[in-house]
Amino acid sequence: AQTVTQSQPEMSVQEAETVTLSCTYDTSESDYYLFWYKQPPSRQMILVIRQEAYKQQNATENRFSVNFQKAAKSFSLKISDSQLGDAAMYFCAFIIQGAQKLVFGQGTRLTINP
Amino acid sequence: GAVVSQHPSWVICKSGTSVKIECRSLDFQATTMFWYRQFPKQSLMLMATSNEGSKATYEQGVEKDKFLINHASLTLSTLTVTSAHPEDSSFYICSARDYKGAGGANVLTFGAGSRLTVL
Repeated sequence: AQTVTQSQPEMSVQEAETVTLSCTYDTSESDYYLFWYKQPPSRQMILVIRQEAYKQQNATENRFSVNFQKAAKSFSLKISDSQLGDAAMYFCAFIIQGAQKLVFGQGTRLTINP
Repeated sequence: GAVVSQHPSWVICKSGTSVKIECRSLDFQATTMFWYRQFPKQSLMLMATSNEGSKATYEQGVEKDKFLINHASLTLSTLTVTSAHPEDSSFYICSARDYKGAGGANVLTFGAGSRLTVL
């Protein structure tokens, strides 16, 4: 069975600082996709960043970047220059190539301290 | 980009009544949509996969007769909570894939969610 584990239920960071959210997953498949979704207080799920498992290069989107360690099945999210608008629940997720279902982690609540 | 519209965003109903939630893909066709339920401070729990023109596939433990899903067109899926009770109060979210979109087949776009309160 595929699982995603986010071991940090809550994290906080000072505005303008950098924070890293952890995520590990378990699958026996080799072809899959990984995602970080953000859910702000509005509860609208927003795609932050995605990573194809076959790519060795870590994905980046402006202030957001990932550290993808395929052998370790680790997929952490780094947020640089944290802003107040980054405060949200962050969900790590993955999907097997060709599969229907997206598997979510438990989420990490990120607080930004001004 | 792909947009998924969900309506209503908030609904309050009396116990025993039925409530319908709509999920529309606005600028793309969605042969498959997904319905999730989210309890406070928890992750999304997949309830069912909605397939256009065929029966929905429900996850284990989800009551098919309680949560009726209809996917009659390529842009609309509906979730009907039948004979709602207070324990059905929750946040329901739909999502869909735009297979032809820039994000590719593996990126899900989510609706804004519907908060159901059953009195």
